Amino acid sequence: KNQVEQSPQSLIILEGKNCTLQCNYTVSPFSNLRWYKQDTGRGPVSLTIMTFSENTKSNGRYTATLDADTKQSSLHITASQLSDSASYICVVLREGRQGGKLIFGQGTELSVKP
Amino acid sequence: DTGVSQDPRHKITKRGQNVTFRCDPISEHNRLYWYRQTLGQGPEFLTYFQNEAQLEKSRLLSDRFSAERPKGSFSTLEIQRTEQGDSAMYLCASSLRGNEQYFGPGTRLTVT
Repeated sequence: KNQVEQSPQSLIILEGKNCTLQCNYTVSPFSNLRWYKQDTGRGPVSLTIMTFSENTKSNGRYTATLDADTKQSSLHITASQLSDSASYICVVLREGRQGGKLIFGQGTELSVKP
Repeated sequence: DTGVSQDPRHKITKRGQNVTFRCDPISEHNRLYWYRQTLGQGPEFLTYFQNEAQLEKSRLLSDRFSAERPKGSFSTLEIQRTEQGDSAMYLCASSLRGNEQYFGPGTRLTVT
């Protein structure tokens, strides 16, 4: 079954601290993996996209890793800020006709406290 | 702001009423997607269009749901005879030939 599972479900950290969010997937055939940030009441916004051959990709204080062998990805947030409070969703693009289909995880709800 | 707009942003309706949502994609994008998201969950695919053609519909899209994209630009999603279980955020996204999808802000539907 094509699934994306994320952990933890929710996380509370203090401002300035680092954190790592996890994503495991069983999607096949795999095309790419994306991390989205979704603020409350808003649509998801893409942070990174990683293809099969990419192990690490950074976007400012966000660093995503991908291990295609174990089908695991992580999103590391450095020096967290209050504005990082959001839901972070791991999404895998499953290859298919007409561009494939996005398979979404349930998200990790991150709360950054002062 | 991704360039994808949705209207209305919030809709409260009574059970049994019909509702219609609109999505305006990024102008040059030929693909348009509709998703539904309930609290604490990731978005679930509902349907997508390439230009004006509706190419795929999820089994989640019951016969009370209908989507159109008549001129290959904006799209509408209509829910007939709404039920409380329809309460969710309805997200629209657009892309150019299956590349990066850009999401709109969503329409939050509450059925009372």
